[in-house]
Amino acid sequence: DVKVTQSSRYLVKRTGEKVFLECVQDMDHENMFWYRQDPGLGLRLIYFSYDVKMKEKGDIPEGYSVSREKKERFSLILESASTNQTSMYLCASSLRGSTDTQYFGPGTRLTVL
Amino acid sequence: DQQVKQNSPSLSVQEGRISILNCDYTNSMFDYFLWYKKYPAEGPTFLISISSIKDKNEDGRFTVFLNKSAKHLSLHIVPSQPGDSAVYFCAAQKGLNAGNMLTFGGGTRLMVKP
Repeated sequence: DVKVTQSSRYLVKRTGEKVFLECVQDMDHENMFWYRQDPGLGLRLIYFSYDVKMKEKGDIPEGYSVSREKKERFSLILESASTNQTSMYLCASSLRGSTDTQYFGPGTRLTVL
Repeated sequence: DQQVKQNSPSLSVQEGRISILNCDYTNSMFDYFLWYKKYPAEGPTFLISISSIKDKNEDGRFTVFLNKSAKHLSLHIVPSQPGDSAVYFCAAQKGLNAGNMLTFGGGTRLMVKP
């Protein structure tokens, strides 16, 4: 059974703080993704990674960076949090070369004050 | 500009009746479509998918229909149950590989009344 876990369910930060969101998957998946979910906009892809130390920009990478030092872990970094980054952040993983779906974590609700 | 749109933000249906959720897309390069279901405080979970070579795919109470010429797909739930109450996201990708980027619609909140 695929499990994707995210380090925090709820997080409150102040404007200008550096924020780390961690995601870990236990199924040896090569592909990992970070999305944000906002009402009416659905899920929008921020960054994704096809392998360790590899990263690709998604549709809305501005203000974010990522780190993939180990296969099972994919971190999203907000270098200087702003109020417009208040959102639900969702991590997902999938198996390379597979028609199988992406598996999602439970999400982190981030509030930036 | 959103390439995948779900024009109904919410839908209310009586238990036992049919729920029909709609999704439109604009990018003709999309050839694989998925529906995800999301409960509050949980991540989205895969529900059903359809390849562009088909026009219908069925899995139990859930059926997805694809009309390529209209760039439209719909999810039918028959019969609807209270446990189906959730937000449903339509998603599209180019190719079948799960590594391909998914483009999501804005979601439709389904409420099934007992």
